[in-house]
Amino acid sequence: GENVEQHPSTLSVQEGDSAVIKCTYSDSASNYFPWYKQELGKRPQLIIDIRSNVGEKKDQRIAVTLNKTAKHFSLHITETQPEDSAVYFCAGTNSAGGTSYGKLTFGQGTILTVHP
Amino acid sequence: DGGITQSPKYLFRKEGQNVTLSCEQNLNHDAMYWYRQDPGQGLRLIYYSQIVNDFQKGDIAEGYSVSREKKESFPLTVTSAQKNPTAFYLCASSVAGGPYEQYFGPGTRLTVT
Repeated sequence: GENVEQHPSTLSVQEGDSAVIKCTYSDSASNYFPWYKQELGKRPQLIIDIRSNVGEKKDQRIAVTLNKTAKHFSLHITETQPEDSAVYFCAGTNSAGGTSYGKLTFGQGTILTVHP
Repeated sequence: DGGITQSPKYLFRKEGQNVTLSCEQNLNHDAMYWYRQDPGQGLRLIYYSQIVNDFQKGDIAEGYSVSREKKESFPLTVTSAQKNPTAFYLCASSVAGGPYEQYFGPGTRLTVT
């Protein structure tokens, strides 16, 4: 099955700096890679996702890049703000069909702290 | 927040007792999921269901059971066979046939002593 590794486990940056979180996956057939943000005491929420037919996707200060050859994808947050402080999870899935459709495998999470 | 709800928010049980966690959604989603969240381990899939009356084991199904009798509901029972039941449990739903975005409930924190 799929295995997703996420690094670093904690990341501390100053407000205005950039933050990068990297994930690697094992299943070369994986084709969907979402990123979720979980603020303290709240539910995870999708912030951006990418499918395997594109290499990069941007949404304002957030971007995700995908390298299928190396089997890794990264979350980039620019101009960080204190409200970006949260736990970020990457995930991968192989939608090969059958009962595995939509089954996500999550990374271990990264605690991002943005200092004012 | 509407959409997907879980109850109760906090649950306390004695060791050896079964306990059922509720998950309801009004998003008209066919697919529903149960995850367990422990510090430093991310979200681990317990069970998932792509359609009513059908469900599959996830990565850590031992000691848990589910049912999917209605599209809106996917209750999770933590049985006495689960060796380490104290955790934060998250339910999610999505459009089936994906993969698509999963929408999470607010979670239930279960403490077993």
